[in-house]
Amino acid sequence: RKEVEQDPGPFNVPEGATVAFNCTYSNSASQSFFWYRQDCRKEPKLLMSVYSSGNEDGRFTAQLNRASQYISLLIRDSKLSDSATYLCVVNPRTSGSARQLTFGSGTQLTVLP
Amino acid sequence: NAGVTQTPKFQVLKTGQSMTLQCAQDMNHEYMSWYRQDPGMGLRLIHYSVGAGITDQGEVPNGYNVSRSTTEDFPLRLLSAAPSQTSVYFCASSTGTTSGGLAQYFGPGTRLLVL
Repeated sequence: RKEVEQDPGPFNVPEGATVAFNCTYSNSASQSFFWYRQDCRKEPKLLMSVYSSGNEDGRFTAQLNRASQYISLLIRDSKLSDSATYLCVVNPRTSGSARQLTFGSGTQLTVLP
Repeated sequence: NAGVTQTPKFQVLKTGQSMTLQCAQDMNHEYMSWYRQDPGMGLRLIHYSVGAGITDQGEVPNGYNVSRSTTEDFPLRLLSAAPSQTSVYFCASSTGTTSGGLAQYFGPGTRLLVL
C-alpha cells in the first residue's frame, strides 16, 4: 500500500463548479499535512497547510480526518486558472529525518470554459 | 530573494557519463532535498541534508551522490548515467523548524534525458 494515495483523475469540471479531492495516508503517526499545486512542466508550489480543525484560504478549504486518515481539498467557484495537478503531501515521521515529506502522485484537475 | 535555483534546466547525457546538477537557495534554510519525478510515480526522495556537512539517503539514492559544504548549495552528482535516470529532478528547501516550516519550496527543476 502506498503511503499517500490519491485518485489520479482526471477531474474535468465547468467553470464555477465545486470540486473536492480526497487523499488517504497510511501512517497514523503523521503530523503535518499539505496540499501542493503543480502546473504542467513546472515545480510543485505550496497551496496550503492542513490543520486539525480545518482551514480555509479564499475559495480553498482543507480538512483533516485523523480517525479515517484522510485529507480533503475543496475548491469552490472553480476558475480556469485552477487547472493543475494537486499533490497531497504528508510528513509521515518514519525513521530518518523527521522533516521528510511523502508526496502523493497527484490528482489532475481541468476546469472547462 | 531568488528562492531555490537549479542549473541546468535541460541536459542530455549518454550512458556512462557523469554530471552534477546544481542547486542553491538564498533563504538560509537548513533542510534541503533532491527529488526525482517520473510519470505516475510522484516525487521520490533521493537524498537530503539537515544542515551543512550532514547528508543522508532518501528512498532512491542508488547512482547519486550529494555533498553539503555550505548552507546555500546542495549539488547532486550522477556517477555513471543510466537510461533509468531519465527524469525531472527537483531540489527543495525548508526551515524544518516547526510543523509549518516543514513545507518545502522547490526549484524549477532539471529535465534529464539519458540515451
